[in-house]
Formats: sequence, C-alpha cells, structure tokens
Amino acid sequence: KNEVEQSPQNLTAQEGEFITINCSYSVGISALHWLQQHPGGGIVSLFMLSSGKKKHGRLIATINIQEKHSSLHITASHPRDSAVYICAGDGGSQGNLIFGKGTKLSVKP
Amino acid sequence: SAVISQKPSRDICQRGTSLTIQCQVDSQVTMMFWYRQQPGQSLTLIATANQGSEATYESGFVIDKFPISRPNLTFSTLTVSNMSPEDSSIYLCSVEGGLNTEAFFGQGTRLTVV
Repeated sequence: KNEVEQSPQNLTAQEGEFITINCSYSVGISALHWLQQHPGGGIVSLFMLSSGKKKHGRLIATINIQEKHSSLHITASHPRDSAVYICAGDGGSQGNLIFGKGTKLSVKP
Repeated sequence: SAVISQKPSRDICQRGTSLTIQCQVDSQVTMMFWYRQQPGQSLTLIATANQGSEATYESGFVIDKFPISRPNLTFSTLTVSNMSPEDSSIYLCSVEGGLNTEAFFGQGTRLTVV
C-alpha cells in the first residue's frame, strides 16, 4: 500500500522566518503534489513534482527521487501563509492521490 | 486547468436525513474523485466516478450510504444518506489531469450533522 508521511504536524513561525515542511513517500509514487488548504476547506494546488525543483514566488518545492523525499519551503513567511499544507502522491489504486496528514502552519506577525 | 464549482459550501443537517453535494467542472474530464476529510484527518478516497459506469468505491464505503451520480463528463453528485454525527466532515470532489499532471479541487462542503 502506497503511503505518504509528512512532518511536522504543526508549525508556528514568526513573520519573516524561513519555513520547511517535509514529506516522505513510498516506492509506488512517481509524482508528488503540494497543496494548500484554507480554513473553509477548499484546496489549491501549489506544485506537482516528479523531479528537481520548482519555484513560485516565495514558495519552493524540491524532490529527491532516490531518497523518496520532498520539501516545501516558504521564504520570508507572512501571516497570510497560515494554512494547512498537504503533500499527496499519485499512487492510488484508482488513479487517485494519497494524502499526507497535513502541516498546520501559523505565521505570527 | 480545470475550475470546479462545488456546492453547498457548508450545511448543518439533522441525523437521519440525506444531503446531495454537487460538483460542476468547466471542462470535460474522464474521472472525478470524491474524498472525505474527517476532523483533524487527511483526505480519504470515497469513490471514483466515471461517466457511463457505476462508481468504484473504496473499502469501507458503500453505494447505499454514498450514492454517486455521473450523468455527463462535467458533472457529478455525491449523496450522504441517513446521516449520523459521524458523517460530519469536509467532502471534496477532485479531478486530476492524468499521470504527472496537476490536481484540481472543489471548494469543499463542510457538513455538520446534529
């Protein structure tokens, strides 16, 4: 059974800090998604990675295929970054995503 | 890309009743996924809905409890039947473009059963 593990579960940071969220995944997953979920429940896709590194604004996502590990970095964090960040792998038996438990990020001003 | 309109965004329902959640996609998609997110938990797949065939349910989910319709390539509904407080969750629909492509989600339906 394919699995995705994410850490930390909760993260509190001061505005301006550099933030890292980690994700490990099992063998059957070939692509990793980073998602952002706001309090209302809606989910927005941030990145989809199968190799290397992607950057969008202050967000950077990296993936190490050999180690089956991915990280999401937020530079110069801001209170509006406060949300739940979820990593998900594409190894579901029905073509679905398999989700980590999420990291609840709170950025204090 | 795909834009998904999901409704209702939230509802408070009496136990024993049913609620139907709708998802409308702005483009034709083959597969739609329905997920449940219980409080403090990760998303769990309920079923996959393909147009023209019955939905495929994950272990622990049954058609009588979560009937799904998929009348065309842009629309699907999930019904939560005979609700109990344990059904209080966020329900989300999703489409995924295929192997190694981005996933898109509805806005979620926050269901509270009292």
